[in-house]
Amino acid sequence: GAGVSQTPSNKVTEKGKYVELRCDPISGHTALYWYRQSLGQGPEFLIYFQGTGAADDSGLPNDRFFAVRPEGSVSTLKIQRTERGDSAVYLCASSLFGSSPLHFGNGTRLTVT
Amino acid sequence: GIQVEQSPPDLILQEGANSTLRCNFSDSVNNLQWFHQNPWGQLINLFYIPSGTKQNGRLSATTVATERYSLLYISSSQTTDSGVYFCAVEPGGSQGNLIFGKGTKLSVKP
Repeated sequence: GAGVSQTPSNKVTEKGKYVELRCDPISGHTALYWYRQSLGQGPEFLIYFQGTGAADDSGLPNDRFFAVRPEGSVSTLKIQRTERGDSAVYLCASSLFGSSPLHFGNGTRLTVT
Repeated sequence: GIQVEQSPPDLILQEGANSTLRCNFSDSVNNLQWFHQNPWGQLINLFYIPSGTKQNGRLSATTVATERYSLLYISSSQTTDSGVYFCAVEPGGSQGNLIFGKGTKLSVKP
């Protein structure tokens, strides 16, 4: 597609469950980013991929969060043992290469009940 | 870590008015980007501007990296300009980790 695609657009899960969020970047973009945005705040960096490898995962809050990009295109953000504090909009972005303009998807709104 | 401060936090304009939004950052940066988040939550990249001045229609931006600030100018504002404007910087010495400010919430009244 023309833009960054994220699925699902909304996800409601119970505390303690496992969730996977998917991101399909713009074709040809080598860099992929995950951010998290809480109400009234700016996006908070989670992880950055250059190709298949995580170049910077310093923003992942704890070991319940993990992300993969096995073929250098689609990425999956995985959250284990979800907590109510994980509720937020999870944003994915891609860029042609690192340090170039970012293009965001519409996000996945995660609600943990 | 680097601090990114945006001002003003809130701004209300009458349609047709001009405005200037400011972004200050506390350390050297590799690049700086401005984004608009519309009321539906979509984030749109407005400018990639590590230094200098760029213009795109009614919008323009200037970054003075040596003085650690950037300005976003909106001229002849329209109701569709409403939303939140974010400044984001990539700290010098790192790559990919864009740090966002808290944004300026703009409301343009008809």
